[in-house]
Order: sequence, then structure tokens, then C-alpha cells
Amino acid sequence: DAGVIQSPRHEVTEMGQEVTLRCKLISGHNSLFWYRQTMMRGLELLIYFNNNVPIDDSGMPEDRFSAKMPNASFSTLKIQPSEPRDSAVYFCASSLWGGEAFFGQGTRLTVV
Amino acid sequence: GENVEQHPSTLSVQEGDSAVIKCTYSDSASNYFPWYKQELGKGPQLIIDIRSNVGEKKDQRIAVTLNKTAKHFSLHITETQPEDSAVYFCAASLHNAGNMLTFGGGTRLMVKP
Repeated sequence: DAGVIQSPRHEVTEMGQEVTLRCKLISGHNSLFWYRQTMMRGLELLIYFNNNVPIDDSGMPEDRFSAKMPNASFSTLKIQPSEPRDSAVYFCASSLWGGEAFFGQGTRLTVV
Repeated sequence: GENVEQHPSTLSVQEGDSAVIKCTYSDSASNYFPWYKQELGKGPQLIIDIRSNVGEKKDQRIAVTLNKTAKHFSLHITETQPEDSAVYFCAASLHNAGNMLTFGGGTRLMVKP
């Protein structure tokens, strides 16, 4: 398996624009996590899905952020409208329920 | 919710020496404690984990110890090598909750040849 695949690897966008980050889970995994990494706040859990259903979204910063799982192997994280303070590296991770979490390579987002 | 503190934030050792990173957690219900290694430009990668029914676990040069009473756990790397240089994160979670991980702030380990 190629592991968790995220796209794009880098994204530069202007403030106010919509940004969509994508994640492909490892085949057979049923849990999906979105994390954000910044120097100031470290690794923060944004949202967690199990079997395509959001279980905990308490880490989502505000209504500008939304995440979906249109099917069992794919997820998107959308920011609309984007702001400079959203600049960070966004990771998704997948696992079997309660098992080891495997992280993708991350998407480095820069909002100017 | 859970809060995980990690120390030190940076650690520099000479090749061949040992390195120790310490973490404390706040939620006594947490029962799963993984350690991740993150290299530049990559995602975190699990290197070792420990569950609350075990006090110590070892895998070659890496060991983790857990003190549930004191709510702290530590990573020990022996015979360090330059390729061990990376950022290390501890984390804690409640296994029954699907392993939603709360991470420590990270330790940048530098191994000098």
C-alpha cells in the first residue's frame, strides 16, 4: 500500500479564497483524522471520522472549516474563506478503529 | 480534556550517548501512549507505543517507560546515531475512544557526530 496520500503537497492562496485539501486513506482503514501543525500550537486534532461519520469535530477552529468523507477511502478539508492565520501544515492520518495512526506527508498551506 | 506536556523542547547529544525525553499527561483515564518521530518535510511516524497495563517496553535501541500513578512516561534512546536526529512527539489517548491522540509539544533531538 502506498500509505496515506495527501494532495496537494503545497498550496499558496490569497486571503479570501477557498482551499480544499484532499486525503486518501490506507485501504481497509475505517478511521480518519485531520490534524493541523503550527510552531505556536503544535499538532492539533481538528476532526475525527469513524466509518465515514464525524465523531468529534470540537477541534475545528470555526465555521470557515468543514470536512467530509464522501466515501470510505477519501476525505476533504475545506477552508472558505481562507485567512493568513490558517497558514500551517495540515496532516491527515488513518487507522483501524483503536489501532496505530498512519500519517500522510502533509499539505503546507500558505495564505497571503 | 487531555493535556500533554513534553520536555525538553530541544536536546543535543553526542553520537553514542543516550537521550531521554519526558512527558506528563493530565487525564488518568488515558491508556495508550505512542511516540512519533517526524523528519523534515514528512509526517509523524510511530516508533513505539505502550499501553497502560505495561510499565516498560523495549524495541532495540528504543524503550518507553510508563508510571501511571505519577501520570508520566518517557522515551529512552540508547547509542544515538545521527539518523536519530528529528522531532519526537509523545501522545496520549483513550484507547476505547478510537485513539484520538493529544500530542505533546515536541522535542527536537540533534545527534552530533
